Amino acid sequence: KQEVTQIPAALSVPEGENLVLNCSFTDSAIYNLQWFRQDPGKGLTSLLLIQSSQREQTSGRLNASLDKSSGRSTLYIAASQPGDSATYLCAARDNNAGNMLTFGGGTRLMVKP
Amino acid sequence: KAGVTQTPRYLIKTRGQQVTLSCSPISGHRSVSWYQQTPGQGLQFLFEYFSETQRNKGNFPGRFSGRQFSNSRSEMNVSTLELGDSALYLCASSLGQDSNQPQHFGDGTRLSIL
Repeated sequence: KQEVTQIPAALSVPEGENLVLNCSFTDSAIYNLQWFRQDPGKGLTSLLLIQSSQREQTSGRLNASLDKSSGRSTLYIAASQPGDSATYLCAARDNNAGNMLTFGGGTRLMVKP
Repeated sequence: KAGVTQTPRYLIKTRGQQVTLSCSPISGHRSVSWYQQTPGQGLQFLFEYFSETQRNKGNFPGRFSGRQFSNSRSEMNVSTLELGDSALYLCASSLGQDSNQPQHFGDGTRLSIL
């Protein structure tokens, strides 16, 4: 059974800092891995999706990497801004599991002005 | 292009009642999945529907059920509500079975059980 873990659970950084969020998964037979952002009281906003055959994906100040062999993914946020404050979730979609996603517990990020 | 729409946004029920939540996926998306989010358990998969058929089911009791209509809209039903069913219920839509495209979520229905 897939298990996804995110460390740390919470992170506070000053504005402008570059930061890395970590995600680990136990079963490397994944179809893809997706990073989401969740603002308080809201649903999930898709940030990046990395297919199992890819090593990384980039969108603006965000870069996500995937290392299936070690069961790890990272989300790199460059030049953080107060508007980046949110909870960040990673989710693994396993092979032969339809569209079911297994989520980590999330990292709650606060960027201080 | 409209996103995933969930109704209602908020719902208050009492123990023993039943509730129906609705989800309209992005136009053209045929797969709809449901998740329960609580502070203690995080996001947990309930079930997935594709072309009106349940394709996958999570580890929830039979009180939780769902269905999908021919226009891909989906409903989930929870019967005999318990206090522990208080949660944010999220719906996600995607293109289809083998799509490597992102899944998109609605803003959820917050269910409170008194």
